[in-house]
Amino acid sequence: AQTVTQSQPEMSVQEAETVTLSCTYDTSESNYYLFWYKQPPSRQMILVIRQEAYKQQNATENRFSVNFQKAAKSFSLKISDSQLGDTAMYFCAFTPNYGGSQGNLIFGKGTKLSVKP
Amino acid sequence: EAGVAQSPRYKIIEKRQSVAFWCNPISGHATLYWYQQILGQGPKLLIQFQNNGVVDDSQLPKDRFSAERLKGVDSTLKIQPAKLEDSAVYLCASSLDFPKQGAGGYTFGSGTRLTVV
Repeated sequence: AQTVTQSQPEMSVQEAETVTLSCTYDTSESNYYLFWYKQPPSRQMILVIRQEAYKQQNATENRFSVNFQKAAKSFSLKISDSQLGDTAMYFCAFTPNYGGSQGNLIFGKGTKLSVKP
Repeated sequence: EAGVAQSPRYKIIEKRQSVAFWCNPISGHATLYWYQQILGQGPKLLIQFQNNGVVDDSQLPKDRFSAERLKGVDSTLKIQPAKLEDSAVYLCASSLDFPKQGAGGYTFGSGTRLTVV
């Protein structure tokens, strides 16, 4: 079975500092996608960043970057220059790129991030 | 571009009653998903549609849950009869045709928070 584990239920960071959220996953697939989603109190899932497993280069989106370690099945999110608006639940998610579960996002339990002024 | 629309936003019902949720995906999105998010957990897929056909409903409790997608556009998710453990947020998401377009094009609605008392 494919699983996603986020070992940090809650984290806090001072405004303008850097924080890293951890995620590990388990799969026997070799071709898949990994995501980080942000869920504010409005409940809508917002895509933060995406990584394709066959790409060795780590994805970056402005202040957000990932450290993708395929052999270790690790996918951490680094947020630089944290802003108050980054306060939210963050979910790591996985989906295989083929097979019956294609497109089905498998989520971790989430990390609640609080950015303090 | 309009987002994924869901209604109602909140619903409170007594156990053993029935309830229905509605979702209108982004125009042109062939794939539609319903996720259940229990408090403190990540979303879990209930059912995935490709146009108006079911791709994956392996985690849908079919004795009480049903879903349909009329004409490959709007979708409704129904629970009958509801149980206390069905209290959760029900998220709808849509994406372009996954096999052709690849991952990353998911758009989520703001969900319906269901409370069963």
